[in-house]
Order: sequence, then C-alpha cells, then structure tokens
Amino acid sequence: QVQLQESGPGLVKPSETLSLTCTVSGGSISSYYWSWIRQPPGKGLEYIGYIYYSGTTNYNPSLKSRVTISLDTSENQFSLRLSSVTAADTALYYCARGPSHRAFDIWGQGTMVTVSS
Amino acid sequence: EIVLTQSPGTLSLSPGERATLSCRASQSVSSSYLAWYQLKPGQAPRLLIYGASSRATGIPDRFSGSGSGTDFTLTISRLEPEDFAVYYCQQYGSSPTFGQGTKVEIK
Repeated sequence: QVQLQESGPGLVKPSETLSLTCTVSGGSISSYYWSWIRQPPGKGLEYIGYIYYSGTTNYNPSLKSRVTISLDTSENQFSLRLSSVTAADTALYYCARGPSHRAFDIWGQGTMVTVSS
Repeated sequence: EIVLTQSPGTLSLSPGERATLSCRASQSVSSSYLAWYQLKPGQAPRLLIYGASSRATGIPDRFSGSGSGTDFTLTISRLEPEDFAVYYCQQYGSSPTFGQGTKVEIK
C-alpha cells in the first residue's frame, strides 16, 4: 500500500531555510494532491500547503510568503521549503496525501524540526 | 479562512462510555468536506471520517460522524482503551484548516 516518509535536517538555524522531502512508496505520485502539515510542540495541527501533480499549489495564507512546495515525479517525491525560519517554526512536520474527496487519507510518521542556533 | 472551533477541549470518560465531540465552523463547509482525525504520540495521524459521515477504510463502526453546514459531530459509541487520544476536525473544501483538538482522556 502507499506509504509516505519524511526526511530532512532535524536542526535548522534561525533565518535559514528549512527543507524537507516526502518520499512516496507503493504507488505513483501522479493524479493526487500532496500536502505538508505541522504540529508545534504542545499545539494543534497547522496546514502548510499542497501541490497537485500538475504543479498547482495552495498555501496557508499565514505562511504563503515563505513557503514553496515542489514535486519530483521521477523520484516520486515532493518537497517543502520554508524560508527565514524562527523558533516559532519548530514543529513536527508531516506529509500527507490529499486533499481529495477522502480528505488527507495517508500520512507519514512525521519528522521533528527544531529551529535553534 | 474558515475557523473551526472544537468542544470540549478535554473529555474525561471511562471505557465503554459514549463520547460526543463537536466541531463548529465560522462559515458553511462546502460539500460537507469535513474530516476527523485521531492523533496519538509517536504515530501517524489516522483519518477516521471524511465527507462529514463516511468512515475511512478499516475504521470500526463505533466511530460515526454527522452534521452539515457549520455544525458537525464525531461520536464514539463505546470507548475502547485504544480510543483515548486527541481528535481533530478539519475542513478541506477551500484552503484547509483544522480545529484546535479535543483530548479524550481516561476518567
């Protein structure tokens, strides 16, 4: 079955760019939407943005100026870049399949990213 | 942006009891694009309900969703030990947003 796995640095310095990759296994990245969601310590879930396999994107308005989500169909991966990070960007970052009519139906395990010097 | 407000913040119940979780939207959720997720520490979030009332694959029938427009409910008919967790509602009709979560804890 389809599985998602996040990867990337666990520690990022303030003002730098956070970069994460989500690898899709067991299925094709084509014909679906793919999203990033995060959860700061002790807080709730926050939608970051999604990309469609055609390249169409949608970003959370509160993060839009700093977020880029891209797709690599040859590697069956999609990626997140979040620029100018601060301590407020410290969170558990999840990738997920969706949204579709079935919402976000498959999630990765999440990867913790800490912003600290 | 559609704001989702979940209540209560915490629900203290015993195994076997019924849990009723509420999710209210600041404006109507289109096409009932309302989902519910279960989160446990160290585990991937689990989709329970989509389209307000459709159970996701493999979800036990003790979980049910209802509602439309701006008011939605997740009901767990009889709590099992593994159901104690945090639950989030989400609208995915426009730019997705999540509620702040309801923690279901053991009384």
